[in-house]
Amino acid sequence: DAGITQSPRHKVTETGTPVTLRCHQTENHRYMYWYRQDPGHGLRLIHYSYGVKDTDKGEVSDGYSVSRSKTEDFLLTLESATSSQTSVYFCAISGPTSGGLNTYNEQFFGPGTRLTVL
Amino acid sequence: SQQGEEDPQALSIQEGENATMNCSYKTSINNLQWYRQNSGRGLVHLILIRSNEREKHSGRLRVTLDTSKKSSSLLITASRAADTASYFCATEGKGANNLFFGTGTRLTVIP
Repeated sequence: DAGITQSPRHKVTETGTPVTLRCHQTENHRYMYWYRQDPGHGLRLIHYSYGVKDTDKGEVSDGYSVSRSKTEDFLLTLESATSSQTSVYFCAISGPTSGGLNTYNEQFFGPGTRLTVL
Repeated sequence: SQQGEEDPQALSIQEGENATMNCSYKTSINNLQWYRQNSGRGLVHLILIRSNEREKHSGRLRVTLDTSKKSSSLLITASRAADTASYFCATEGKGANNLFFGTGTRLTVIP
């Protein structure tokens, strides 16, 4: 999976609790993304990052925050989880890398985190 | 929403047959990409076609793009059971760094 890991892979939590999902890359790609995947909706972008400490909102950002303190890690936080946030969460990365190779347009995906909010 | 729409939602064919999936989108694009997702896994990039290209091939895959109709098609020739997966189109809008994914086509190839 192109040097991308997500943790945890599965999590069950209760409504109102905070949850943090971690995405870690070893590819030194500039861009990192968080998506959620739900039946009938495909993948929807939550937040993305275009550099360390540089983030922006996606299509479905309400109820989520992100942080990127170093190139390799991108954290997604649900401050107070709700049942509507039960989903499969995917992290993705894209270039360019520090070496300047332009894999700009293609995204590489992590294995996903299945989150259940009871 | 800039999300693409795939058609059909599900497709079932016999091994050896060709599979065609279609994607329609709403806005001007820089490029359109196709991804595959096996059950329980992340998405894998298959092929990218730029807005100034009309057709592209990669192995058994053939992608066409008609920007005047805002549509694309993915053809998988001589399908195999291992092609069973969901296929998504994704569009990158002009001036954007993000991709907008469709809802996918679920392909089942029967051995």
